[in-house]
Amino acid sequence: EVQLVQSGAEVKKPGESLKISCKGSGYSFTSYWIGWVRQMPGKGLEWMGIIYPGDSDTRYSPSFQGQVTISADKSISTAYLQWSSLKASDTAMYYCARQSGFGELYLDYWGQGTLVTVSS
Amino acid sequence: SSELTQDPAVSVALGQTVRITCQGDSLRSYYASWYQQKPGQAPVLVIYGKNNRPSGIPDRFSGSSSGNTASLTITGAQAEDEADYYCNSRDSSGNPHVVFGGGTKLTVL
Repeated sequence: EVQLVQSGAEVKKPGESLKISCKGSGYSFTSYWIGWVRQMPGKGLEWMGIIYPGDSDTRYSPSFQGQVTISADKSISTAYLQWSSLKASDTAMYYCARQSGFGELYLDYWGQGTLVTVSS
Repeated sequence: SSELTQDPAVSVALGQTVRITCQGDSLRSYYASWYQQKPGQAPVLVIYGKNNRPSGIPDRFSGSSSGNTASLTITGAQAEDEADYYCNSRDSSGNPHVVFGGGTKLTVL
């Protein structure tokens, strides 16, 4: 059974750093892209970027380039999303998802989400 | 880059058929996929590719596409189908980037 299990909720202050995780199991972790999706309170889904754990190829949405860093450790089947200096506007639910397909791309398995709250 | 446009809200009477649409230039080249999200839950893929349903998705959900418009049809809507629905597709750049529509809130009356 394919599963993506994310790390727990975080409460941080503006300016702090943070790294959240997403552990995959039940499939070949190095053979699929893993994406991150942001959902701000009461808002829609935003695709942030992806990483291919097999070779660490990473792509970012222009909206998130330079704002976050996506990485992966294939030895423990885990992808990460990190911030060096959080802002209040980073408060959101963050989902990881497996990105599949070749021409068409779709997110077929999702983590349960990690709620990040940034408040002074 | 590309954008996908959805109607913010749609309603349907219990047991009737509803179509949720998604428009965007990238849909001329790529099929949309569709996600259902209920309050407090992660999104769930319901349609991908030309018209494929993942295991466990009821066959009342179907997808279609014409020109720059993709549609998700629910035939015989049930109370449990009330949710937010999002489309997405690969963007027009050819990179493995995807873009989401703004979402449609479906109310089952």
